[in-house]
Amino acid sequence: AQSVTQLGSHVSVSEGALVLLRCNYSSSVPPYLFWYVQYPNQGLQLLLKYTTGATLVKGINGFEAEFKKSETSFHLTKPSAHMSDAAEYFCAVSTSASKIIFGSGTRLSIRP
Amino acid sequence: NAGVMQNPRHLVRRRGQEARLRCSPMKGHSHVYWYRQLPEEGLKFMVYLQKENIIDESGMPKERFSAEFPKEGPSILRIQQVVRGDSAAYFCASSPVDREGNTIYFGEGSWLTVV
Repeated sequence: AQSVTQLGSHVSVSEGALVLLRCNYSSSVPPYLFWYVQYPNQGLQLLLKYTTGATLVKGINGFEAEFKKSETSFHLTKPSAHMSDAAEYFCAVSTSASKIIFGSGTRLSIRP
Repeated sequence: NAGVMQNPRHLVRRRGQEARLRCSPMKGHSHVYWYRQLPEEGLKFMVYLQKENIIDESGMPKERFSAEFPKEGPSILRIQQVVRGDSAAYFCASSPVDREGNTIYFGEGSWLTVV
């Protein structure tokens, strides 16, 4: 079975600062890993995903994440936060044969 | 190419009534998933369906909840005899036959309020 843990239910950074949202996963087989973003009262939008190949994955809106097998992590980063990045971010894991399991989410706030 | 369509977007039901939530997957997608998001909580998997077949319903409550994805028409999530605790956002997602590395695409959600 797979599981995912997001460290920090709420992260606040200043505009222009580095964004780091942490995600650790558990999987007995090679995982597929995802980050989704949710704006208020909307559905989830895929930011980026890792399936195979290059471990550094670039997504939309300047976000990227690195798959680190040794650390079972898939942290999301963005070099410079923008006010429009304020949203809820979900990390998710699955395998080729399973459903996608989501973490509990991290709410990102941006301070002017 | 239209995305995943859910309706209604907002639904209010009195305790004991039935709620029906509909989901039309993206064109060409044959897999549908339902997730529930309670206030201030993450997404909880409920059920995974293909046309006329339930693949995984391990997240569905044992009573009052059912889901279907008929050969024709949208997927339906049905909640009978709703209670206040059913108030939540219900999200549908779909994926294509080859599941593109398991990528799923979400609808805008249906917000159920039980009064």
